[in-house]
Amino acid sequence: EVQLLESGGGLVQPGGSLRLSCAASGFTFSSCAMSWVRQAPGKGLEWVSTISGSASSAYYVDSVKGRFTISRDNSKNTLYLQMNSLRAEDTAVYYCAKDPREGDDWFDTWGQGTLVTVSS
Amino acid sequence: DIQMTQSPSSVSASVGDRVTITCRASQGISSWLAWYQQKPGKAPKLLIYGASSLQSGVPSRFSGSGSGTDFTLTISSLQPEDFATYYCQQANSFPITFGQGTRLEIK
Repeated sequence: EVQLLESGGGLVQPGGSLRLSCAASGFTFSSCAMSWVRQAPGKGLEWVSTISGSASSAYYVDSVKGRFTISRDNSKNTLYLQMNSLRAEDTAVYYCAKDPREGDDWFDTWGQGTLVTVSS
Repeated sequence: DIQMTQSPSSVSASVGDRVTITCRASQGISSWLAWYQQKPGKAPKLLIYGASSLQSGVPSRFSGSGSGTDFTLTISSLQPEDFATYYCQQANSFPITFGQGTRLEIK
């Protein structure tokens, strides 16, 4: 069974940092691009970042460029999102999501989400 | 960036009704479109990809159509478990963008 399990969310002060992790199982992790998608409370879905299977390419939404870094460890089947200089508007549930295959940038499997709250 | 606009923003319908949701892209995206269903407190679920391909395990009452800039999601006969929020998403180019969502409510 394909599974994604996020961890690392929590309460952080504005300007602080947090690292999210997503443990993957049930598929060939290194063959799939992986993404982070977030959802602010009561709002719609917002794509945050995507990394290719080999980690050779990464893409970001403009609002997080220079603050967030996506990475992956294919030996550990784990995806990461390092979030620095956090702002109140980064408060959201963060989902990791799997592309079905390289180049098909829709998401066929999602994790349960982890809540990040940025507040003083 | 490609803007995705869904209509309506909300719709009320009854069990057994046929419902259509529309998604318009601000520029042509060929068939690089997906549809998702999200229930409260849950992660989104992929329904349709490539504009018209049904994801494995999704009931056949769901269908998608369109190409270029105009797309539709149709539910042929609403079931109680279909009341949820639906999102379209373009996968043509980065940044990936979603529509604002359509909330499907029970009449």
